[in-house]
Amino acid sequence: AQSVSQHNHHVILSEAASLELGCNYSYGGTVNLFWYVQYPGQHLQLLLKYFSGDPLVKGIKGFEAEFIKSKFSFNLRKPSVQWSDTAEYFCAFSRGGADGLTFGKGTHLIIQP
Amino acid sequence: NAGVMQNPRHLVRRRGQEARLRCSPVKGHSHVYWYRQLPEEGLKFMVYLQKENIIDESGMPKERFSAEFPKEGPSILRIQQVVRGDSAAYFCASSRTGRESYNEQFFGPGTRLTVL
Repeated sequence: AQSVSQHNHHVILSEAASLELGCNYSYGGTVNLFWYVQYPGQHLQLLLKYFSGDPLVKGIKGFEAEFIKSKFSFNLRKPSVQWSDTAEYFCAFSRGGADGLTFGKGTHLIIQP
Repeated sequence: NAGVMQNPRHLVRRRGQEARLRCSPVKGHSHVYWYRQLPEEGLKFMVYLQKENIIDESGMPKERFSAEFPKEGPSILRIQQVVRGDSAAYFCASSRTGRESYNEQFFGPGTRLTVL
C-alpha cells in the first residue's frame, strides 16, 4: 500500500538554527511530491511541490526540498528558521494529475525565540 | 479571491444522527476532494468528485458515508447514523483542472465533527 513516512513527529529548534524534516514515500511509480504547512489557526497551505525537472525545488518563505528518487525521499530544508515557522508540516504525494493526495502524519515544529 | 469555504466549522452530533458537511470550492474550480484527519494522524483521502460525478471513492468507508457535487451548489459529505469513531476533522480541497495535467489542490479550513 502506498504511504508517506515523516521521521519526526515533534521538532524543537531555536531561531536561526537549520532545519531538515525527513519524508519518505512508498510507491513504485511516478509521483508528484508536496510539502504543506498549517500555521496555528489557519488553512493548510502549499509550501512547495515537485513533479518533474530539477529535483531541488524552492518554495515560499525560504524553504526548499530535494527529491532523491533512489531513496524515495523528499526532505524539507531551511537554512535558518524563524519563530514564525512554528507550524505543522505535512509531506504528501499523488500518483498523477488529479489523484487524491497521500499524506504523512505531520511534523509539529516549534521554534523557540 | 474567496478560497475554499467549508461549513459548519464545528458540528456536534449525537450517536445515530446524520452529519452534513458542505464545501464550496474556489470559484472556477470543478474538482473537489474530501479528506479526514483523525487525532494524531495525517489527512486521509476519502473521495474525489467532479461536477455531478464521483471519480474516485477508494478512501470512502463503504457504509454510512456518501458524497455529492451537484451541478449547482456546494459539495456535500453526508455521514448517516454517526458513531463516536467518526469524530474527526474533515477537510475539503478543490482544484481547477483534471487528470490531464497537474493541478494544485487548495484546502478549506475544515469541519470539526464531534460525536457525543
